[in-house]
Amino acid sequence: DTGVSQNPRHKITKRGQNVTFRCDPISEHNRLYWYRQTLGQGPEFLTYFQNEAQLEKSRLLSDRFSAERPKGSFSTLEIQRTEQGDSAMYLCASSQRHGSATNEKLFFGSGTQLSVL
Amino acid sequence: DAKTTQPNSMESNEEEPVHLPCNHSTISGTDYIHWYRQLPSQGPEYVIHGLTSNVNNRMASLAIAEDRKSSTLILHRATLRDAAVYYCLVGETSGSRLTFGEGTQLTVNP
Repeated sequence: DTGVSQNPRHKITKRGQNVTFRCDPISEHNRLYWYRQTLGQGPEFLTYFQNEAQLEKSRLLSDRFSAERPKGSFSTLEIQRTEQGDSAMYLCASSQRHGSATNEKLFFGSGTQLSVL
Repeated sequence: DAKTTQPNSMESNEEEPVHLPCNHSTISGTDYIHWYRQLPSQGPEYVIHGLTSNVNNRMASLAIAEDRKSSTLILHRATLRDAAVYYCLVGETSGSRLTFGEGTQLTVNP
């Protein structure tokens, strides 16, 4: 079990640039989540996939954000035309969900820290 | 989803038990109670979860009040590595439905 892997760990960019983050979930997990966390706050849900289908997006996810999970494996989160307010830790989590089970466990990566200058 | 209330911070001494409280008075009958913790510079880590009965695992114990309006996470012997932010969450446990509050910052003194 190699855990959830996120790359890069840190990203510094200038306002207006595009950035892309990658998440590799635990291999047998069918669900993949993206969260955003700012200093002193808990993680906030952004979006999630079940296999390759993106099933839900938070209203926090503006049009500048897009996520993909081709073939239901790794996922990418892209932010276009970054703004200073996008500076945050972006966390990925994966889980194995069976049917209507209501007690799935989330396994988080260490996150990508984005700084927009 | 039900809201939770936790103290902002707690302190403990190494090798002593720690009881971290959580109030969730609006919990519904099918909501699970989850605890995650977040160590510095890491993503949250699953600790324990339960529905009605008390639960034990290698990391901690979860004591759930009979009316389920509150719960307590118990670390039996705190170590310095237990210093973290502890989050109590309730609700349908799809990750899209879990709302992380600000949690409790646990400090463990040597």
